[in-house]
Amino acid sequence: NAGVMQNPRHLVRRRGQEARLRCSPMKGHSHVYWYRQLPEEGLKFMVYLQKENIIDESGMPKERFSAEFPKEGPSILRIQQVVRGDSAAYFCASSRVVGEQFFGPGTRLTVL
Amino acid sequence: KNEVEQSPQNLTAQEGEFITINCSYSVGISALHWLQQHPGGGIVSLFMLSSGKKKHGRLIATINIQEKHSSLHITASHPRDSAVYICAVRYGTGNQFYFGTGTSLTVIP
Repeated sequence: NAGVMQNPRHLVRRRGQEARLRCSPMKGHSHVYWYRQLPEEGLKFMVYLQKENIIDESGMPKERFSAEFPKEGPSILRIQQVVRGDSAAYFCASSRVVGEQFFGPGTRLTVL
Repeated sequence: KNEVEQSPQNLTAQEGEFITINCSYSVGISALHWLQQHPGGGIVSLFMLSSGKKKHGRLIATINIQEKHSSLHITASHPRDSAVYICAVRYGTGNQFYFGTGTSLTVIP
């Protein structure tokens, strides 16, 4: 029973490039959450998705960031035209029902 | 404003000491999580509480709904307990968690 999987674990991008972060939830989990942890800061909610639907994106920056959770395949967090301020650890969590969340190992994004 | 306050921010203890980390929140919640994060590592959920007390090994978590306060206790602390401990709360039927800034614990042999 594999846990939440995220890949890549480490991602390096130059300013202006695109970053794609993937999250495969635990088996049987249809709720996915993305969180960001900036250096020396706490975790912040970004977006909550269920299969094919964005439920709550109140924590997502208005520009350059998007998320999807298709019917088949992992959830994707996409950051277009990355800037140095996007450097952070991005964590995905999944749940079967609302409330009980299991976290993935995170993707550490470095923007040069 | 939904705020989650943790104390202390940093904590150093000798191996074997009893440790307490505190979490306070501003309005009524539906659930509270205690999470553990090792340096450079992922996040592990230790407890989910909505009332009372839970125990797992040397870890004990309590919550007082009336006082809007939770504590995480570690008995007989060990260097491998060194990590950041994060309190996270969920309000009402909302889905997003609000996180404390974490307590960085170092246990010295």
